[in-house]
Amino acid sequence: QSALTQPASVSGSPGQSITIPCTGTSNDVGRFDYVSWYQQHPGKAPKLMIYHVTQRPSGVSDRFSGSKSGNTASLTISGLQAEDEADYYCTSYTGSSTLVFGGGTKLTVL
Amino acid sequence: QVQLQESGPGLVKPSQTLSLTCTVSGGSITNSDYYWSWIRQAAGKGLEWIGRIYTIGSTHYNPSLQSRLIMSVDTSKNLFSLKLSSVTAADTAVYYCARVSWRYNEFDSWGQGTPVTVSS
Repeated sequence: QSALTQPASVSGSPGQSITIPCTGTSNDVGRFDYVSWYQQHPGKAPKLMIYHVTQRPSGVSDRFSGSKSGNTASLTISGLQAEDEADYYCTSYTGSSTLVFGGGTKLTVL
Repeated sequence: QVQLQESGPGLVKPSQTLSLTCTVSGGSITNSDYYWSWIRQAAGKGLEWIGRIYTIGSTHYNPSLQSRLIMSVDTSKNLFSLKLSSVTAADTAVYYCARVSWRYNEFDSWGQGTPVTVSS
């Protein structure tokens, strides 16, 4: 199975909004609403930020939001803060009953 | 609040079998709302899904690892395990265990990760 496609890096200034796309295929992102997003700070375990495309777990800031169109899901972070600087990964369920991650995106807050 | 803790040898010789255990506390591994998964991350690289297991024993594996992989569950000890055979340096990584929601397939709880190095 091929990894979902994410840009290697994105950046933004404090207060701005950024969007990270996650492109899959009609057999994963396009077929199922089982897309989730994770934040990972260096040396730490990933943290769930978005699930079921748009849902936020309890305790996650409402500055984080998710969406999907066709084979591409997106994570948007509004009102960027310094602590948002991290790696972000998407994942999707697939038609083969497996799960697949995106390659990851490094977010830099300028 | 469920907690997961990986354990196992940090060093494995090439061609041998890597064995890791994930102990679950604060919740039952038999809860049918969840299944259990392994993920790994090589240094400086992205996350790679290894496989998942239900408490009834059914499994799904990453096709790229399937021929070398066995996952199992021990409900009496509330833990699940991973065995990866014929390891090479390419299997050197931090290995995470995680709980996955059955309904939406999200990894909602993670272990802290355990580093494994394959070297002679």
